[in-house]
Amino acid sequence: DAGITQSPRHKVTETGTPVTLRCHQTENHRYMYWYRQDPGHGLRLIHYSYGVKDTDKGEVSDGYSVSRSKTEDFLLTLESATSSQTSVYFCAIRVAERNEQFFGPGTRLTVL
Amino acid sequence: AQSVTQLDSHVSVSEGTPVLLRCNYSSSYSPSLFWYVQHPNKGLQLLLKYTSAATLVKGINGFEAEFKKSETSFHLTKPSAHMSDAAEYFCATGGSSNTGKLIFGQGTTLQVKP
Repeated sequence: DAGITQSPRHKVTETGTPVTLRCHQTENHRYMYWYRQDPGHGLRLIHYSYGVKDTDKGEVSDGYSVSRSKTEDFLLTLESATSSQTSVYFCAIRVAERNEQFFGPGTRLTVL
Repeated sequence: AQSVTQLDSHVSVSEGTPVLLRCNYSSSYSPSLFWYVQHPNKGLQLLLKYTSAATLVKGINGFEAEFKKSETSFHLTKPSAHMSDAAEYFCATGGSSNTGKLIFGQGTTLQVKP
């Protein structure tokens, strides 16, 4: 599992509230990613990080922000959750020398 | 722009029969291609990847995929389906650039009937 954990694993929240999801890795990989998974869309990239304090947007970044203050942690924040952000969120790390990505177990977020 | 299309949203096979999951890609250069599997309520597991070393790629659990540039395809196959193969399968491209970003297909649900 490449030492990736996500917390919380499940969360139910109300529209308009802030939500932060955490991804933690134990192997000091430089690249980390946040994806969301929705039926019929596969996985879509939200944001990614290529180092501490270095982040960039993916294809569905509106309404999301990220932070990476330590190599091992990559945080995804929904500043004001909306029902359209109900989804399953996956964090991934990249093993650059093999060009392979490994995924965490996911966080199921429901916004009521 | 890179993209992948999974041609079937749902495939149903009987246990012991061959599996074929289809993926076409679009890329202006030689792509990196991946197949992932997701069992219910689990994360994604890498099955195999193509990175131009060989056109026939063998993965875990008896799966393999063949890169066909002339057909822009990277179909996933297995000679004999097992009940435990029932899952969702994703084809993805990308990863070769400095960013390593992946672009996923929509997914194919594989049902295996006893």
